[in-house]
Amino acid sequence: GQQLNQSPQSMFIQEGEDVSMNCTSSSIFNTWLWYKQDPGEGPVLLIALYKAGELTSNGRLTAQFGITRKDSFLNISASIPSDVGIYFCAGFGRSGGGADGLTFGKGTHLIIQP
Amino acid sequence: EADIYQTPRYLVIGTGKKITLECSQTMGHDKMYWYQQDPGMELHLIHYSYGVNSTEKGDLSSESTVSRIRTEHFPLTLESARPSHTSQYLCASSGPPRNEQFFGPGTRLTVL
Repeated sequence: GQQLNQSPQSMFIQEGEDVSMNCTSSSIFNTWLWYKQDPGEGPVLLIALYKAGELTSNGRLTAQFGITRKDSFLNISASIPSDVGIYFCAGFGRSGGGADGLTFGKGTHLIIQP
Repeated sequence: EADIYQTPRYLVIGTGKKITLECSQTMGHDKMYWYQQDPGMELHLIHYSYGVNSTEKGDLSSESTVSRIRTEHFPLTLESARPSHTSQYLCASSGPPRNEQFFGPGTRLTVL
């Protein structure tokens, strides 16, 4: 099935550092979404992107929808301990049809050392 | 904050039992989804629904079944649970204008 390539798989950083992660796909998506998941919980939507080239911020988070519609990145500035978790990218509305759900990346595990 | 609920949150059962995982949302969303997720891994779509009496299979094959008799309710049933069904099951819903998907807290199922 369709896959999103999300990198890095994991990040070990110091509190206060900036974080960057990205997703790429061989297919075009009409919408890119970024979620954060804490252990034992469901994913929580952080940022949604709807147009190629769109750059959107949500507090310390910034995400961009790539011009080719095949990639997206998420940046977190000045990380804090509560940023720990798994971050997933997800594409929606891909070309070629298929089920109407989201296609998820494999996640980026963010670990922050105080 | 999305209003989507799942019960039970945790379930440990023996092989061969029939189980139903409940999902309900109070947002009036037409579209609802079930995803399966192994710990720390990506989510895979197993079922979705566009509205009442509509159900479709997702990208990942699953032995579970779903029903959509009411807009707010989208239960998932396993007729005979097996250890291979051990996983986390996440329900989501979406609606206009943007159709972003909002997730419930999940049900962690363990089949012994």
